[in-house]
Amino acid sequence: AQSVAQPEDQVNVAEGNPLTVKCTYSVSGNPYLFWYVQYPNRGLQFLLKYITGDNLVKGSYGFEAEFNKSQTSFHLKKPSALVSDSALYFCAVRDGYNQGGKLIFGQGTELSVKP
Amino acid sequence: DGGITQSPKYLFRKEGQNVTLSCEQNLNHDAMYWYRQDPGQGLRLIYYSQIVNDFQKGDIAEGYSVSREKKESFPLTVTSAQKNPTAFYLCASSKEPGLPSTDTQYFGPGTRLTVL
Repeated sequence: AQSVAQPEDQVNVAEGNPLTVKCTYSVSGNPYLFWYVQYPNRGLQFLLKYITGDNLVKGSYGFEAEFNKSQTSFHLKKPSALVSDSALYFCAVRDGYNQGGKLIFGQGTELSVKP
Repeated sequence: DGGITQSPKYLFRKEGQNVTLSCEQNLNHDAMYWYRQDPGQGLRLIYYSQIVNDFQKGDIAEGYSVSREKKESFPLTVTSAQKNPTAFYLCASSKEPGLPSTDTQYFGPGTRLTVL
């Protein structure tokens, strides 16, 4: 069965410092991995995805994520955090071998960036 | 949020009433989805549809119903059988489900349903 874990409910970072939001996954086949961001009372915005190829994926707003197959992780990173990055971040996974497979979401990580 | 609209933004319902949430997309996407979001629980799939006139139950379909009569529309009805309907409801769509290059889901702005 597919599953996603975001081990931290909240991450606190000072503005200008690097940030990491962690995600680990479990699928039986090759994973398709996604990161989304949600601002209060809004829908989810797509940030980036990993399907295949280069393990480092670059996305919107300066975010990037590194796929690590041996550690089954897909951590979201940004070199220099902004106050405006404060939001709820969701990792999601789908089993690439199952074409009809559903997207499974983690429970979310609240990122707080302080000035 | 662009391309997917949900209405209303806020909805209040009395116990025992059915209510219908609207979701429309102008992206020419084949697949549409309904999720429920509760605090600290992430998103849970209610129903999804990969093609017009066809839909499948997700993980928490009990107490909900949907229809897909048009490609651009996927309304969700929350029936009186849903025991705890107060939540934030999100609609999403994707171009071609199952193809890695085109199955990214894009979300609408959401509807917050409160049962009084």
